[in-house]
Amino acid sequence: AQKVTQAQTEISVVEKEDVTLDCVYETRDTTYYLFWYKQPPSGELVFLIRRNSFDEQNEISGRYSWNFQKSTSSFNFTITASQVVDSAVYFCALFNYQLIWGAGTKLIIKP
Amino acid sequence: ETGVTQTPRHLVMGMTNKKSLKCEQHLGHNAMYWYKQSAKKPLELMFVYSLEERVENNSVPSRFSPECPNSSHLFLHLHTLQPEDSALYLCASSSAIYNEQFFGPGTRLTVL
Repeated sequence: AQKVTQAQTEISVVEKEDVTLDCVYETRDTTYYLFWYKQPPSGELVFLIRRNSFDEQNEISGRYSWNFQKSTSSFNFTITASQVVDSAVYFCALFNYQLIWGAGTKLIIKP
Repeated sequence: ETGVTQTPRHLVMGMTNKKSLKCEQHLGHNAMYWYKQSAKKPLELMFVYSLEERVENNSVPSRFSPECPNSSHLFLHLHTLQPEDSALYLCASSSAIYNEQFFGPGTRLTVL
């Protein structure tokens, strides 16, 4: 069975703190894709990253970084020096043959 | 217009009404999707179209009827809805099926 678990329902931090959003997935297949999306209060989901199962290199994009570890079936997302504009719901998703979404983590950045 | 647009942005309808949601993508993509997002529930994938052919229908009630007349347009026809159908309906597109998706702003639907 395929599954995506985002165990953190809500996280609240003070601006400038670093924060990590967890994503754990389950699949029996060796070929799959993992995604992260951001949904700000306006409602529109924004694509952040896609990673295929054969590329375990970590990715950094500005204040955002992603840690993909097949050994633990995790694809965690870290925001460094968080800002109020980072407040949103973040979704992790898994694709192989069908797309499975996590329940999302609501991130609140307090000024 | 750029990206993915959805109209209307807000819709209030009675249970006996018939209405349609429209989605248009200006990205040259070949796949389009309808999602339902209810409060405190995971994102639900409703329909997937690839090259104008429906490739996935996730046990969605027949009161929701999709239509994809061409690769740029996607409709969701609504008929005899229930109050529990009130939700945010999101449209997305991708260059190929299940590549990274680009979403529209959504239609906030309220069924009275």
